[in-house]
Amino acid sequence: DQQVKQNSPSLSVQEGRISILNCDYTNSMFDYFLWYKKYPAEGPTFLISISSIKDKNEDGRFTVFLNKSAKHLSLHIVPSQPGDSAVYFCAATFNDYKLSFGAGTTVTVRA
Amino acid sequence: NAGVTQTPKFQVLKTGQSMTLQCAQDMNHNSMYWYRQDPGMGLRLIYYSASEGTTDKGEVPNGYNVSRLNKREFSLRLESAAPSQTSVYFCASSDSQGFGSPDTQYFGPGTRLTVL
Repeated sequence: DQQVKQNSPSLSVQEGRISILNCDYTNSMFDYFLWYKKYPAEGPTFLISISSIKDKNEDGRFTVFLNKSAKHLSLHIVPSQPGDSAVYFCAATFNDYKLSFGAGTTVTVRA
Repeated sequence: NAGVTQTPKFQVLKTGQSMTLQCAQDMNHNSMYWYRQDPGMGLRLIYYSASEGTTDKGEVPNGYNVSRLNKREFSLRLESAAPSQTSVYFCASSDSQGFGSPDTQYFGPGTRLTVL
């Protein structure tokens, strides 16, 4: 049973607009959350993370929000750019090395 | 500085054949990992190695063996390949120091394996 779920397999957004990716988790023990980005034929690359002691972390155009009571996190990309077209994976951990990944959301940024 | 490298990039096997996927990292990381990625499933951890000489099972270890040859290299072996092992395999490494140290994993480009 997947403990991290990304219920939207795909997202299409116009260049310059906001992209919002959602992720839900079921294991209340998770205390650290990460987003990875993956281009075709490449491995995932780390994008941004957040500890459970925070509710927001920002890095340039990328912001991750964590709602612990709802077991929900989201990634906001503002503004979206063509180079942001990729698959985005949400991941979570509670013991520092075993990451549980969601199934991914494919983002397409339209010109 | 190549990061994490994997060989081969592509492989086709027949059911019952064996093969070893190779992984090496040049970042002096302690921890290394093997994942498989299947459609609709995300990445699932097969095996993990916290340091040279240690290995640990992940979520889906059945049908696989691993060897942490030295600090740089971590190989994944399929002794008798099955069609269910058709997947994309990713190796990763991190400088994880254990509990309390948030883990950023660096991934290789992947090996696309097809078992007929």
